[in-house]
Amino acid sequence: NAGVTQTPKFQVLKTGQSMTLQCAQDMNHNSMYWYRQDPGMGLRLIYYSASEGTTDKGEVPNGYNVSRLNKREFSLRLESAAPSQTSVYFCASRSRDRWSGANVLTFGAGSRLTVL
Amino acid sequence: AQTVTQSQPEMSVQEAETVTLSCTYDTSESDYYLFWYKQPPSRQMILVIRQEAYKQQNATENRFSVNFQKAAKSFSLKISDSQLGDAAMYFCACRNNAGNMLTFGGGTRLMVKP
Repeated sequence: NAGVTQTPKFQVLKTGQSMTLQCAQDMNHNSMYWYRQDPGMGLRLIYYSASEGTTDKGEVPNGYNVSRLNKREFSLRLESAAPSQTSVYFCASRSRDRWSGANVLTFGAGSRLTVL
Repeated sequence: AQTVTQSQPEMSVQEAETVTLSCTYDTSESDYYLFWYKQPPSRQMILVIRQEAYKQQNATENRFSVNFQKAAKSFSLKISDSQLGDAAMYFCACRNNAGNMLTFGGGTRLMVKP
């Protein structure tokens, strides 16, 4: 099925460990995003990529790095995990509605990360 | 910069009744889009409805409609004939036309009572 696929769905890390969240979309979208979701704070943008080979910081980029490996894939890396990074992470890609011209985001299912 | 505020952390509605979720926003953009997303327990974010700010007519999608008050920067979601499957977190969001950023509110948890 077409959409946004994130892995892993769940991960527990110890403080200081590193890990990479993977995201892939098969809809040929140019723009991809990483958000984190925390209670009462909605979703906050970590990084985004407007096209293959480009990445930009969002609202809360500290402690994260990203790689836009190709048009399909956009990974999020935590080099040295901290308890403050315990969150649910969402990857999304952006498309333009052919009728209205509006841009909409399609989200992955989310990845729950716990840092002890 | 944009901000989105949802002042109702939780709402409750009886099945088949109507409920309205509030959202206010602030943006310096002259052209922008507004969205409501639904997040069920599966955590998947599902687009419910969107509104182009330049359109005066309120968007509707089946049982979902919005009350867009541009001058007041208000964008409420009305759910008619509420169903048990409507129970979820609902997020209001604002995106400017030219930029890449979509700003979300803090969410409202909707409970539907049978």
